[in-house]
Amino acid sequence: QKEVEQNSGPLSVPEGAIASLNCTYSDRVSQSFFWYRQYSGKSPELIMSIYSNGDKEDGRFTAQLNKASQYVSLLIRDSQPSDSATYLCAVNPGGGNKLTFGTGTQLKVEL
Amino acid sequence: GAVVSQHPSRVICKSGTSVKIECRSLDFQATTMFWYRQFPKQSLMLMATSNEGSKATYEQGVEKDKFLINHASLTLSTLTVTSAHPEDSSFYICSARGAWGEGGASNYGYTFGSGTRLTVV
Repeated sequence: QKEVEQNSGPLSVPEGAIASLNCTYSDRVSQSFFWYRQYSGKSPELIMSIYSNGDKEDGRFTAQLNKASQYVSLLIRDSQPSDSATYLCAVNPGGGNKLTFGTGTQLKVEL
Repeated sequence: GAVVSQHPSRVICKSGTSVKIECRSLDFQATTMFWYRQFPKQSLMLMATSNEGSKATYEQGVEKDKFLINHASLTLSTLTVTSAHPEDSSFYICSARGAWGEGGASNYGYTFGSGTRLTVV
């Protein structure tokens, strides 16, 4: 079982719709969870971090964490073509210093 | 916000030569720096973790004598790819972790550099 699993996609949504990206992780001791966006040929940029169960909202983005189910998701409301990118879920296994990344989900927002 | 500067952004070198990549935290002290490698259409793979003033910890399968990491100060870490070969061609990205912002540890996260595209010919 991979430490961090994501559906590779591509996930296609129409402009203005809600995009839902999912991630599961295997280490129950993980404490910090991050969503990064990566455009082709660029380095990842942080979108959201979440540490507690529940929802965390920042603009059009909402991160949801359920530690009991070992599941973290990212919702993007009013999706725009500029949101088209690969979204990486990252977790710090064992509550340590390192991040483990999923393979990423490619999102395509279509006009 | 936290900014990490990485140079060069792109480098082409001949097989057998060495290449140095620099990573600087501009507005915070990076207690830990991470070096990743990313091959096309793959995710980030952690190569090593370095703490200021101490030796880097390498991930399994990463040759420490080939990928030399120096973290001499709280704002600078370097990765040197020694005797580079075409299979070392990849996207190398650094990430720094520290505390920044007013109040200290309220924003304690990971910030990535812009990456270095290495091509070995």
